[in-house]
Parts: sequence; structure tokens; C-alpha cells
Amino acid sequence: DIQMTQSPSSLSASVGDRVTITCRASQGIRNDLGWYQQKPGRAPKRLVYAASSLQSGVPSRFSGSGSGTEFTLTISSLQPEDFATYYCLQYNSYPLTFGGGTKVEIK
Amino acid sequence: EVQLVESGGGLVQPGGSLRLSCAASGFPFSDHYMDWVRQAPGMGLEWVGRIRNKDNSYSTEYAASVKGRFTISRDGSKNLLYLQMNSLKTEDTAVYYCTRVIPGSAFDSWGQGTMVTVSS
Repeated sequence: DIQMTQSPSSLSASVGDRVTITCRASQGIRNDLGWYQQKPGRAPKRLVYAASSLQSGVPSRFSGSGSGTEFTLTISSLQPEDFATYYCLQYNSYPLTFGGGTKVEIK
Repeated sequence: EVQLVESGGGLVQPGGSLRLSCAASGFPFSDHYMDWVRQAPGMGLEWVGRIRNKDNSYSTEYAASVKGRFTISRDGSKNLLYLQMNSLKTEDTAVYYCTRVIPGSAFDSWGQGTMVTVSS
């Protein structure tokens, strides 16, 4: 199975900060990676697919990058509605696997 | 608008069975692969399994943790996705989500989830 190591597991940031979350795959997954945002009590929402393609309707302050084994999700200027938990997902091979999540909290 | 609505969750004893349903609308259900994903209370997301479309013989894939106990099926005439869960364990307690798969990009749409609690 491909392991997805996500870091940090949590972070505190202020509105306007630039935030970067990283996912590392235990083996190469090309660009078969997505990023999801989840707020408490809600279903996850896709932000990015194919490592760097922004989901329609997602604000441009979100961006994804990477290929192979190293991936990042960047929020260029954190907004109040961005405080949530973020997960990466590899869909290169079965079983599909998620990172452990990054909880973004208000500083 | 894509809509996915899960139902069938509830409280079940260890060793028991439960069948979840997911009603799909707003897209050509029969054309899409569909997946189940779960989330235990306070924990992260875990992929459960997949059913492919008719062109791919409705074949399935499962996570090791549920293989042999869970079965995914679908009814194209009713736009329904199912998850039959047998021999349930306490560790199967979770919110279960159905998701739509887009080729080459995994899940783009999720239902609201249905809670399954396995407890005596």
C-alpha cells in the first residue's frame, strides 16, 4: 500500500498568513493526488485534483503543486472560512489512501 | 446539480449486518464509478471500496479492512448505490460517505454521510 505522510498535523495561523501543507508518498504516484477540505460535521470538499488543477469554484488563493512523491497545498492568504482540516488523497493505485490530515486553527 | 444522499445508518450489534444506500441524481449515474469512504469519530478519512461502471462489468475493489465482509453493488435503473456490511466490528463505527469518481481525478462529489454505530 502507498503511505501518505502529511505534515504538519496541525498549525495555528492568522488571517492573511501564507500556509503550506505537505504530503509525501511512500512511492511515486505521478500527479495522481487530490486535496480536500473538511469543516466540522460536513462532508469533505475537493479543492485540487491532478496535484495542481483547481476545482471549479475554489478560490484562487488555493494552489497545489508537486509530482512523484512530494506535494504541497498552499493557501496564499488565509481567510476566516479556511479554518478547517485538510487531507491529501492518492488515487494512483489501490487501495486509495489519505494523508492523516492537517488541522488549520486560528492563532 | 450532482446530489448524493446516503441512508440506512444506525446502531447495530457486533457481528450484525446493515445495508447502506446512496441515491444519486443530477448526472448519468450508470457512466460513473462510485466509491464509499468512511470516517471514524474524531479520525481521518478511510477509503472503503469502489464499484466500476457497466462498461467495466461493475467490478469492485475493497480495502483490506473490509474485504470479505462488505459488498458494494448498484442498481442503474434506480440510480442507487449500496454498501452491504456483514460481520460488523466495533471498529467499523464511522460516518459512511458515498462519492462520485471522475476518471483520472478521484472523488469530486460527496454525500452528506450516514452514521453507523457498532456497539453492544
